[in-house]
Amino acid sequence: KAGVTQTPRYLIKTRGQQVTLSCSPISGHRSVSWYQQTPGQGLQFLFEYFSETQRNKGNFPGRFSGRQFSNSRSEMNVSTLELGDSALYLCASSMSGTGPTEAFFGQGTRLTVV
Amino acid sequence: AQTVTQSQPEMSVQEAETVTLSCTYDTSESDYYLFWYKQPPSRQMILVIRQEAYKQQNATENRFSVNFQKAAKSFSLKISDSQLGDAAMYFCAYRSAFRTGNQFYFGTGTSLTVIP
Repeated sequence: KAGVTQTPRYLIKTRGQQVTLSCSPISGHRSVSWYQQTPGQGLQFLFEYFSETQRNKGNFPGRFSGRQFSNSRSEMNVSTLELGDSALYLCASSMSGTGPTEAFFGQGTRLTVV
Repeated sequence: AQTVTQSQPEMSVQEAETVTLSCTYDTSESDYYLFWYKQPPSRQMILVIRQEAYKQQNATENRFSVNFQKAAKSFSLKISDSQLGDAAMYFCAYRSAFRTGNQFYFGTGTSLTVIP
């Protein structure tokens, strides 16, 4: 069974540009969550999608947005990039996100904003 | 809001010895789930062990066990017979049982070094 796949693995962008990150969950998983990981702030929850609908949202500005497709693949978009957006972006998938179910993580996309 | 605190940024252990990583959390909820995740240099987070708050018995997975103290809001991870492959960043995480969805609250992590 294939794991959670995130593409691309590395990305370098210029301040002011926008970027789109992709996450393909494990087959059969309908919940996809996104996290930002930085040395100073640790792992912070961005948002979660379930069956193409945003179910939960963290405290990030509107420049961070996402969507989920009918095949459960998800994309995250960051517009007007700032230097502080440099981080490892992790995607996690699970069957439903209820109960003590495990979330499976991808290897992340390392975004560097210059 | 829930907060998770890991007070040990770095820990080290001799191979084959035992080490305990600390985690405390703050919540007003009565039911929740607690997890320990491991993040090796490959960056992929891997579940180590999970605990359901309403279960008094401490969870155990092979060499990994937890000491769950609900009243003290403490959730420590014990690694026995440490192996070189255990070297990684360890994150403690909380998830509500009342709120639908997969939103984890993570601690800041503990970097574990295993000394041969």
